Amino acid sequence: GAVVSQHPSWVICKSGTSVKIECRSLDFQATTMFWYRQFPKQSLMLMATSNEGSKATYEQGVEKDKFLINHASLTLSTLTVTSAHPEDSSFYICSADSGGQGGWVQPQHFGDGTRLSIL
Amino acid sequence: DAKTTQPPSMDCAEGRAANLPCNHSTISGNEYVYWYRQIHSQGPQYIIHGLKNNETNEMASLIITEDRKSSTLILPHATLRDTAVYYCIVRFRLSGGYQKVTFGTGTKLQVIP
Repeated sequence: GAVVSQHPSWVICKSGTSVKIECRSLDFQATTMFWYRQFPKQSLMLMATSNEGSKATYEQGVEKDKFLINHASLTLSTLTVTSAHPEDSSFYICSADSGGQGGWVQPQHFGDGTRLSIL
Repeated sequence: DAKTTQPPSMDCAEGRAANLPCNHSTISGNEYVYWYRQIHSQGPQYIIHGLKNNETNEMASLIITEDRKSSTLILPHATLRDTAVYYCIVRFRLSGGYQKVTFGTGTKLQVIP
């Protein structure tokens, strides 16, 4: 149980285009979803947290107009990288927690990530 | 916000216990400690979490010091498949639902045959 699916797993696109990444919880309702970015050989950095039906909360230094997050349902969140440039190339990973009986303490479940390459 | 530090790498002989330390000296009372591991740039896999008591599950044990400033993840019998980067994470939730998650720098564990 507790599967998070992320799509696409790999995308290459030209500089200036916008790219949308989907994150779905397949067998549970995700009250909170998280988006992370990971550069090669580095740790994960939290970009933003979103609760279903609410605006996302962005971490300091993350441009909300650049990285648009939508969490319209309890099973789907999307991250859109607008006007992407080569410096946006990275590994983007989402995670979700179900809340549930244990509340927010329940562990996050991660997707397998999206490798974004901007040419 | 708690900051976590971990040794960058460790080796462990196959079949022996792997003890991975994490320092989170600025942790606050309502921050939980989680451990995840990541293999080959896949998504991190949950291992275990705790607040102040020691915890054990089918994968590992988590030992948290009494002052909560550090913790140790113990893999009791390491196998080659346990080779991965292990992350120590602190996480808390503010009123209003905002959650803060801070990943540590990670320890690359190499299990040696």
